[in-house]
Amino acid sequence: DGGITQSPKYLFRKEGQNVTLSCEQNLNHDAMYWYRQDPGQGLRLIYYSQIVNDFQKGDIAEGYSVSREKKESFPLTVTSAQKNPTAFYLCASTSGLTSSGANVLTFGAGSRLTVL
Amino acid sequence: AQTVTQSQPEMSVQEAETVTLSCTYDTSESDYYLFWYKQPPSRQMILVIRQEAYKQQNATENRFSVNFQKAAKSFSLKISDSQLGDAAMYFCAYGHAGNNRKLIWGLGTSLAVNP
Repeated sequence: DGGITQSPKYLFRKEGQNVTLSCEQNLNHDAMYWYRQDPGQGLRLIYYSQIVNDFQKGDIAEGYSVSREKKESFPLTVTSAQKNPTAFYLCASTSGLTSSGANVLTFGAGSRLTVL
Repeated sequence: AQTVTQSQPEMSVQEAETVTLSCTYDTSESDYYLFWYKQPPSRQMILVIRQEAYKQQNATENRFSVNFQKAAKSFSLKISDSQLGDAAMYFCAYGHAGNNRKLIWGLGTSLAVNP
Protein backbone atom coordinates (compact mmCIF):
# COMPACT_ATOMS: atom_id res chain seq x y z
CA ASP A 1 0.00 0.00 0.00
CA GLY A 2 1.15 3.52 -0.72
CA GLY A 3 1.93 5.81 2.13
CA ILE A 4 4.48 7.78 4.08
CA THR A 5 6.97 6.12 6.38
CA GLN A 6 8.60 8.10 9.15
CA SER A 7 11.43 6.75 11.24
CA PRO A 8 12.33 6.42 13.95
CA LYS A 9 9.05 6.57 15.82
CA TYR A 10 10.83 7.61 19.03
CA LEU A 11 14.20 9.30 19.25
CA PHE A 12 16.20 10.56 22.17
CA ARG A 13 18.94 13.10 21.79
CA LYS A 14 21.48 14.61 24.06
CA GLU A 15 21.87 18.34 24.03
CA GLY A 16 24.33 19.49 21.39
CA GLN A 17 23.71 16.57 19.04
CA ASN A 18 22.23 16.75 15.59
CA VAL A 19 19.60 14.16 14.70
CA THR A 20 17.96 13.26 11.41
CA LEU A 21 14.36 12.19 11.02
CA SER A 22 13.56 10.12 7.98
CA CYS A 23 10.52 10.57 5.74
CA GLU A 24 9.93 8.34 2.74
CA GLN A 25 6.85 8.24 0.49
CA ASN A 26 5.83 5.88 -2.29
CA LEU A 27 2.83 7.89 -3.42
CA ASN A 28 4.68 9.58 -6.27
CA HIS A 29 3.81 12.90 -4.68
CA ASP A 30 5.68 16.00 -5.78
CA ALA A 31 5.42 18.08 -2.63
CA MET A 32 6.58 17.15 0.86
CA TYR A 33 6.34 18.95 4.17
CA TRP A 34 7.62 18.86 7.73
CA TYR A 35 5.45 20.02 10.57
CA ARG A 36 6.12 20.37 14.26
CA GLN A 37 3.38 19.71 16.80
CA ASP A 38 3.56 20.83 20.42
CA PRO A 39 0.90 20.29 23.11
CA GLY A 40 -1.88 22.82 22.87
CA GLN A 41 -0.67 24.15 19.55
CA GLY A 42 -1.65 23.51 16.00
CA LEU A 43 0.74 22.26 13.38
CA ARG A 44 3.56 24.60 12.50
CA LEU A 45 5.35 24.35 9.17
CA ILE A 46 9.11 23.85 9.33
CA TYR A 47 10.12 23.28 5.71
CA TYR A 48 8.48 22.25 2.50
CA SER A 49 9.61 21.08 -0.91
CA GLN A 50 7.56 21.21 -4.08
CA ILE A 51 10.14 19.61 -6.33
CA VAL A 52 13.37 17.64 -6.13
CA ASN A 53 16.45 19.71 -5.27
CA ASP A 54 14.33 22.62 -4.10
CA PHE A 55 12.87 23.50 -0.71
CA GLN A 56 11.63 26.55 1.17
CA LYS A 57 11.55 27.62 4.77
CA GLY A 58 8.29 27.49 6.61
CA ASP A 59 7.31 29.47 9.66
CA ILE A 60 9.77 27.94 12.15
CA ALA A 61 12.80 26.85 10.11
CA GLU A 62 15.49 28.09 12.49
CA GLY A 63 17.55 25.23 13.88
CA TYR A 64 16.38 22.77 11.22
CA SER A 65 17.71 21.69 7.82
CA VAL A 66 16.38 19.50 5.04
CA SER A 67 17.37 18.00 1.71
CA ARG A 68 15.37 16.73 -1.24
CA GLU A 69 17.73 14.69 -3.41
CA LYS A 70 15.07 12.19 -4.37
CA LYS A 71 11.38 12.58 -4.98
CA GLU A 72 10.61 9.89 -2.42
CA SER A 73 12.69 11.21 0.43
CA PHE A 74 12.65 14.38 2.54
CA PRO A 75 14.81 13.98 5.66
CA LEU A 76 14.76 16.57 8.43
CA THR A 77 17.82 17.33 10.52
CA VAL A 78 17.29 18.88 13.91
CA THR A 79 20.49 20.73 14.68
CA SER A 80 22.01 21.77 17.97
CA ALA A 81 20.92 25.31 17.12
CA GLN A 82 17.30 24.36 17.76
CA LYS A 83 16.80 25.52 21.34
CA ASN A 84 13.70 23.53 22.17
CA PRO A 85 13.59 20.50 19.91
CA THR A 86 11.46 18.21 22.07
CA ALA A 87 8.28 17.79 20.03
CA PHE A 88 6.27 15.56 17.75
CA TYR A 89 7.27 15.83 14.09
CA LEU A 90 4.95 15.06 11.23
CA CYS A 91 5.90 14.57 7.61
CA ALA A 92 3.29 15.02 4.90
CA SER A 93 3.01 14.99 1.14
CA THR A 94 0.64 16.03 -1.57
CA SER A 95 0.41 15.35 -5.25
CA GLY A 96 1.08 18.88 -6.35
CA LEU A 97 -0.57 22.14 -7.19
CA THR A 98 -2.32 21.18 -10.38
CA SER A 99 -3.92 17.81 -9.78
CA SER A 100 -7.37 17.30 -8.32
CA GLY A 101 -5.97 16.16 -4.99
CA ALA A 102 -3.54 19.00 -4.73
CA ASN A 103 -4.74 20.39 -1.47
CA VAL A 104 -5.10 17.16 0.48
CA LEU A 105 -2.17 16.23 2.68
CA THR A 106 -1.23 12.64 3.43
CA PHE A 107 0.62 12.27 6.72
CA GLY A 108 3.11 9.86 8.14
CA ALA A 109 2.69 8.41 11.63
CA GLY A 110 5.12 10.92 13.14
CA SER A 111 8.33 10.89 15.10
CA ARG A 112 8.62 11.84 18.73
CA LEU A 113 11.91 13.55 19.58
CA THR A 114 12.95 13.98 23.19
CA VAL A 115 16.03 15.89 24.25
CA LEU A 116 17.59 14.52 27.42
CA ALA B 1 -3.16 37.17 7.52
CA GLN B 2 -5.42 34.18 7.62
CA THR B 3 -6.38 32.72 10.97
CA VAL B 4 -8.32 29.66 12.07
CA THR B 5 -10.07 29.52 15.42
CA GLN B 6 -11.46 26.48 17.16
CA SER B 7 -13.22 27.80 20.24
CA GLN B 8 -13.86 24.45 21.91
CA PRO B 9 -10.67 22.90 23.33
CA GLU B 10 -12.57 19.87 24.59
CA MET B 11 -15.93 18.31 23.89
CA SER B 12 -17.69 15.09 24.75
CA VAL B 13 -20.56 13.14 23.26
CA GLN B 14 -22.48 10.03 24.13
CA GLU B 15 -22.09 7.09 21.83
CA ALA B 16 -24.70 7.16 19.04
CA GLU B 17 -25.42 10.84 19.62
CA THR B 18 -24.57 13.80 17.38
CA VAL B 19 -21.92 16.40 18.08
CA THR B 20 -20.87 19.57 16.29
CA LEU B 21 -17.36 21.00 16.39
CA SER B 22 -16.93 24.68 15.62
CA CYS B 23 -14.39 26.38 13.41
CA THR B 24 -14.20 29.96 12.25
CA TYR B 25 -11.63 31.49 9.98
CA ASP B 26 -10.60 34.85 8.73
CA THR B 27 -9.47 35.56 5.19
CA SER B 28 -9.77 38.17 2.48
CA GLU B 29 -9.36 35.62 -0.28
CA SER B 30 -12.27 34.25 -2.27
CA ASP B 31 -10.86 30.95 -3.50
CA TYR B 32 -9.78 28.54 -0.81
CA TYR B 33 -10.27 25.16 0.75
CA LEU B 34 -11.25 24.11 4.23
CA PHE B 35 -10.45 20.82 5.89
CA TRP B 36 -11.16 18.80 8.97
CA TYR B 37 -8.43 16.39 10.01
CA LYS B 38 -8.66 13.80 12.73
CA GLN B 39 -5.72 12.82 14.94
CA PRO B 40 -6.51 9.67 16.95
CA PRO B 41 -4.33 8.47 19.84
CA SER B 42 -1.99 6.89 17.28
CA ARG B 43 -1.25 10.51 16.29
CA GLN B 44 -1.44 9.93 12.54
CA MET B 45 -3.42 12.73 10.94
CA ILE B 46 -6.28 11.58 8.75
CA LEU B 47 -8.40 13.71 6.44
CA VAL B 48 -12.03 13.67 7.50
CA ILE B 49 -13.62 16.03 5.05
CA ARG B 50 -12.78 18.78 2.58
CA GLN B 51 -14.79 21.75 1.33
CA GLU B 52 -14.07 23.97 -1.65
CA ALA B 53 -15.11 27.56 -1.01
CA TYR B 54 -16.68 27.96 -4.45
CA LYS B 55 -19.10 25.12 -3.77
CA GLN B 56 -22.29 26.08 -2.00
CA GLN B 57 -23.22 22.52 -1.21
CA ASN B 58 -21.96 21.28 2.12
CA ALA B 59 -19.57 18.35 1.93
CA THR B 60 -20.53 15.03 3.46
CA GLU B 61 -18.60 11.83 4.10
CA ASN B 62 -20.74 9.09 5.61
CA ARG B 63 -21.44 10.17 9.23
CA PHE B 64 -19.43 13.37 8.85
CA SER B 65 -20.86 16.54 7.37
CA VAL B 66 -20.03 20.21 7.46
CA ASN B 67 -22.02 23.38 7.76
CA PHE B 68 -20.12 25.83 5.58
CA GLN B 69 -21.25 29.43 5.99
CA LYS B 70 -19.01 31.44 3.69
CA ALA B 71 -20.32 34.87 4.59
CA ALA B 72 -19.98 34.14 8.28
CA LYS B 73 -16.61 32.41 7.71
CA SER B 74 -17.77 29.42 9.67
CA PHE B 75 -17.01 25.77 9.00
CA SER B 76 -18.43 23.42 11.59
CA LEU B 77 -18.15 19.64 11.58
CA LYS B 78 -21.09 17.45 12.52
CA ILE B 79 -20.53 13.87 13.54
CA SER B 80 -23.66 11.77 13.55
CA ASP B 81 -24.15 8.45 15.32
CA SER B 82 -20.89 8.95 17.22
CA GLN B 83 -18.74 5.89 17.70
CA LEU B 84 -16.00 5.14 20.18
CA GLY B 85 -13.49 5.27 17.35
CA ASP B 86 -14.38 8.90 16.74
CA ALA B 87 -12.54 9.89 19.91
CA ALA B 88 -9.63 12.01 18.74
CA MET B 89 -8.27 15.50 18.27
CA TYR B 90 -9.96 17.28 15.42
CA PHE B 91 -8.18 20.04 13.57
CA CYS B 92 -9.70 22.57 11.24
CA ALA B 93 -7.41 23.89 8.51
CA TYR B 94 -7.55 26.56 5.83
CA GLY B 95 -5.67 26.47 2.55
CA HIS B 96 -5.50 28.97 -0.25
CA ALA B 97 -6.35 27.41 -3.58
CA GLY B 98 -3.21 26.50 -5.49
CA ASN B 99 -0.91 27.21 -2.59
CA ASN B 100 -0.92 24.19 -0.36
CA ARG B 101 1.98 25.32 1.77
CA LYS B 102 -0.26 27.97 3.22
CA LEU B 103 -2.34 25.57 5.28
CA ILE B 104 -3.30 27.41 8.45
CA TRP B 105 -4.28 25.20 11.36
CA GLY B 106 -6.56 25.67 14.33
CA LEU B 107 -5.44 24.53 17.77
CA GLY B 108 -7.73 21.53 17.74
CA THR B 109 -10.71 20.17 19.65
CA SER B 110 -10.33 17.06 21.76
CA LEU B 111 -13.43 14.90 21.38
CA ALA B 112 -14.28 12.24 23.93
CA VAL B 113 -16.94 9.65 23.18
CA ASN B 114 -18.66 8.19 26.21
CA PRO B 115 -20.09 4.66 26.04
